[in-house]
Amino acid sequence: KQEVTQIPAALSVPEGENLVLNCSFTDSAIYNLQWFRQDPGKGLTSLLLIQSSQREQTSGRLNASLDKSSGRSTLYIAASQPGDSATYLCAVQRSGSARQLTFGSGTQLTVLP
Amino acid sequence: GAVVSQHPSWVICKSGTSVKIECRSLDFQATTMFWYRQFPKQSLMLMATSNEGSKATYEQGVEKDKFLINHASLTLSTLTVTSAHPEDSSFYICSAMGQPNHYEQYFGPGTRLTVT
Repeated sequence: KQEVTQIPAALSVPEGENLVLNCSFTDSAIYNLQWFRQDPGKGLTSLLLIQSSQREQTSGRLNASLDKSSGRSTLYIAASQPGDSATYLCAVQRSGSARQLTFGSGTQLTVLP
Repeated sequence: GAVVSQHPSWVICKSGTSVKIECRSLDFQATTMFWYRQFPKQSLMLMATSNEGSKATYEQGVEKDKFLINHASLTLSTLTVTSAHPEDSSFYICSAMGQPNHYEQYFGPGTRLTVT
């Protein structure tokens, strides 16, 4: 059974810092990996999706990498801003026809002004 | 991008009653829909997967008679929580997958259920 772990569980940084969030998964037979942002009491906002054949994806100040063989992904946020404060979730999608997502427990990020 | 809506966004019901939550894909055909629940400060847990016109597949530990899922059309799935109890209070999120790509899930905004 796939297990997804995110470290750290919580992170507090001053504005302007670059930071890295980590995600690891136990079964490397994945179809893709996705990073989401969730604000309190809200749904999910998709940030980046990396296909299993890709090594990284970039969008603005965000860069996500994927090392499928080692079961790891990182989300790099450059020049953090208070508006980046949220919970960040990574999720891996199962290979095969089912396509279910397994979520990590999230990293709660606070960017201090 | 693909848009998924949920209705209602929040609902309060009394213990013992049933409540229905709708999930709609607004601008694409959703061949598969997923239902998740999320407890405070926890991650999303998949409850069930439904394919249009078929019975839902429930994850281990999810009571299919309590959480009724219907996916009768390519744009609508419903989750009915029957005989709700306070422990069913949670945040319920749906996602939908379909045309044009068949791998990316698009998430609804969630429904906050409080059972009193």
